[in-house]
Amino acid sequence: GAVVSQHPSWVICKSGTSVKIECRSLDFQATTMFWYRQFPKQSLMLMATSNEGSKATYEQGVEKDKFLINHASLTLSTLTVTSAHPEDSSFYICSARWGSSHSNQPQHFGDGTRLSIL
Amino acid sequence: QKEVEQNSGPLSVPEGAIASLNCTYSDRGSQSFFWYRQYSGKSPELIMFIYSNGDKEDGRFTAQLNKASQYVSLLIRDSQPSDSATYLCAVISNYQLIWGAGTKLIIKP
Repeated sequence: GAVVSQHPSWVICKSGTSVKIECRSLDFQATTMFWYRQFPKQSLMLMATSNEGSKATYEQGVEKDKFLINHASLTLSTLTVTSAHPEDSSFYICSARWGSSHSNQPQHFGDGTRLSIL
Repeated sequence: QKEVEQNSGPLSVPEGAIASLNCTYSDRGSQSFFWYRQYSGKSPELIMFIYSNGDKEDGRFTAQLNKASQYVSLLIRDSQPSDSATYLCAVISNYQLIWGAGTKLIIKP
């Protein structure tokens, strides 16, 4: 159980393109979803936390107008990187968790999306 | 600032031996503790979680929690080359998940 599907796995596109990444919880209701970014040989960096039906909470330094997050249902969250530039190239990973914002349940991760902006 | 500390390694362990990974945390009020495994170029995968003091076993993995000393450890018995990965410790502190930087484990055949 606790399967999280993330799509696409790879994206290569030109600078200025907007890219949408989907994150789905397949066998549980994900009250909360998280979006991370990881550069090579670096630690996971939390970008934002989204709760179903409400606006995402962004970490300090993450531009909310550049990284649009929508969590419209208990099984789907999307991250849109708007007008992507080469410096946005990274490994983007979503995770999902059931329970309230005070939940002690573990996060379950998708397989990640490798984004390359040319 | 709540912290989770791990030795970055690499920790080199011969195949078949026990690998011992340690993690300390600063928030004495933390209640939930997780171990994730991350292979190079892949996303993290949940290995174990533990909420109570003592040991919790799952196959070759044992998580150990000592709240008084504020550390949590992961033991891997009969280590295999496929266990070579970075192991991330994560702790819930004030309803937020705080990540350690990870320990790189290398199992040598």
